Amino acid sequence: DQQVKQNSPSLSVQEGRISILNCDYTNSMFDYFLWYKKYPAEGPTFLISISSIKDKNEDGRFTVFLNKSAKHLSLHIVPSQPGDSAVYFCAATFRGGTSYGKLTFGQGTILTVHP
Amino acid sequence: KAGVTQTPRYLIKTRGQQVTLSCSPISGHRSVSWYQQTPGQGLQFLFEYFSETQRNKGNFPGRFSGRQFSNSRSEMNVSTLELGDSALYLCASSSPEGSGANVLTFGAGSRLTVL
Repeated sequence: DQQVKQNSPSLSVQEGRISILNCDYTNSMFDYFLWYKKYPAEGPTFLISISSIKDKNEDGRFTVFLNKSAKHLSLHIVPSQPGDSAVYFCAATFRGGTSYGKLTFGQGTILTVHP
Repeated sequence: KAGVTQTPRYLIKTRGQQVTLSCSPISGHRSVSWYQQTPGQGLQFLFEYFSETQRNKGNFPGRFSGRQFSNSRSEMNVSTLELGDSALYLCASSSPEGSGANVLTFGAGSRLTVL
């Protein structure tokens, strides 16, 4: 049962343009969402997160949008840079309870930004 | 401040053997989680430890076990290795209190190959 899905295995974008990475989830109990970036031979690096009480969160070139009714979130990168080329993972969790340390990850999307 | 350190980075084992992987969390982080990353399954949660106690466990067989020491360092063990255990094993730490509670910082991983 894939509770978090990233349906696009890969995305190719020109430098300077917008990159939009999408993520869908099925578990309505999730109330906190995160995006991680992963380069080869490195661990995932935290990028940005959003709580379910918000619909948007910005951090520099990165903006995450959350549509709770559609159970959909997206990561926008503007402008895209070649150094952004990596695998991007969407993750979800629910705060409190017994969810300690457990993030449910999507399969990842390989972003390639061409100069 | 040093990040999450995992050792060894690479190792090769044969079927039936056992393996122990080590993780040193960020100083001050008392929660340590373990994940398995495979091409087919993405990142899957194994277990989480806090104050030497396992608080959460994923859906893995009993061959996968872990422990945490009083200095928050953690080890995971896989016994009776199978070919399907070949994966990147990632350790992550977090500070369980406050806004950073669900933001995991990952190490670079231990790449296990089972022949």
